[in-house]
Amino acid sequence: AQSVAQPEDQVNVAEGNPLTVKCTYSVSGNPYLFWYVQYPNRGLQFLLKYITGDNLVKGSYGFEAEFNKSQTSFHLKKPSALVSDSALYFCAVRDSAGFQKLVFGTGTRLLVSP
Amino acid sequence: SAVISQKPSRDICQRGTSLTIQCQVDSQVTMMFWYRQQPGQSLTLIATANQGSEATYESGFVIDKFPISRPNLTFSTLTVSNMSPEDSSIYLCSARRDSAGELFFGEGSRLTVL
Repeated sequence: AQSVAQPEDQVNVAEGNPLTVKCTYSVSGNPYLFWYVQYPNRGLQFLLKYITGDNLVKGSYGFEAEFNKSQTSFHLKKPSALVSDSALYFCAVRDSAGFQKLVFGTGTRLLVSP
Repeated sequence: SAVISQKPSRDICQRGTSLTIQCQVDSQVTMMFWYRQQPGQSLTLIATANQGSEATYESGFVIDKFPISRPNLTFSTLTVSNMSPEDSSIYLCSARRDSAGELFFGEGSRLTVL
């Protein structure tokens, strides 16, 4: 069975500083990895995904994530944080083999201060 | 991407009643799913809505409590039956075009059961 861990409930960063939101995963086969963002009272918005290929994936709003197979990690990063990036971020994983459900992490709240 | 419309967006219901949530996708999709989310918490998959056949339910969710329909490739409904206060939650519809694709989400339906 697949699982995903987001070890930080909250990440605090000052505007203009780089940010990292951590995610580690466990699957039996090859992973499909995703990051989503959720603003208050809204549904989840897709940010980026890793399916195969280049380990560095670029996504929406200047976010990127690096797939590290040896560390089973898929950390979300952004070089310069904006106050408007403050939201709840979810990492998700599923096994590429057959039909497997998408499993979400517990979420990390990002707070960017002015 | 796909645009997913859900209704109602929110409702307040009485204990013992049932409510049906509708989900409309703006284009044909292969897979549709229903999730439940407590505000600020992670997502829990309720079931996969299968077109033209019975939904596939996750552990802890049963058809009598959460009947699901999917009559075509763009529409699905979730009914929350015989509601109790424990059913108060956000219910999210999601869809995916292909096996490697990302999930798209509706804005959610926030139910409060009194």
